[in-house]
Amino acid sequence: GENVEQHPSTLSVQEGDSAVIKCTYSDSASNYFPWYKQELGKRPQLIIDIRSNVGEKKDQRIAVTLNKTAKHFSLHITETQPEDSAVYFCAASIKNTDKLIFGTGTRLQVFP
Amino acid sequence: GAVVSQHPSRVICKSGTSVKIECRSLDFQATTMFWYRQFPKQSLMLMATSNEGSKATYEQGVEKDKFLINHASLTLSTLTVTSAHPEDSSFYICSARAVNTGELFFGEGSRLTVL
Repeated sequence: GENVEQHPSTLSVQEGDSAVIKCTYSDSASNYFPWYKQELGKRPQLIIDIRSNVGEKKDQRIAVTLNKTAKHFSLHITETQPEDSAVYFCAASIKNTDKLIFGTGTRLQVFP
Repeated sequence: GAVVSQHPSRVICKSGTSVKIECRSLDFQATTMFWYRQFPKQSLMLMATSNEGSKATYEQGVEKDKFLINHASLTLSTLTVTSAHPEDSSFYICSARAVNTGELFFGEGSRLTVL
């Protein structure tokens, strides 16, 4: 079945450094790739998304890149801040459905 | 932004009882809602897709008689965990897709503890 792999599972960075989280997906028909931030005990919040007709998208300190050939997409956070600390999930759409398959999550810790 | 409200946020019940969780889109209509289950420090596992006015579609391995889903209106879907057992203890999260924009919004989650 469809699968999304996410790495690393944990990531610790110093405030001000960049953080990169990578995901690969198995369904070549996937065309929508959102990223969610989830703080402890709270709901996932969409932080950025990208569609398959675009290779890169940026929103202030956050950017996402997509390589359709390699079935790989990445989240880049620059100038990290302690409030960026959370669990981040990537997701990929399933062909011809509204459904999303989520990655396993990355726990990001930003140390002051 | 759009709000999805989930109720209750926490529930504790005895083994063998049934628990109903509500998911409401407060300021938009949602023909499709999704129910997820999340174990501690793990990812969101899709359980079922709830479609307004029709039967829910369940993911492989999810018992439809165990997890009853009703999507009676464009703003409300309910998940009933029937004859709950301790292994059903988990964080249940719904999401709703806005009809007009297609964007997905998540509820705040419901933590179920079965004693």
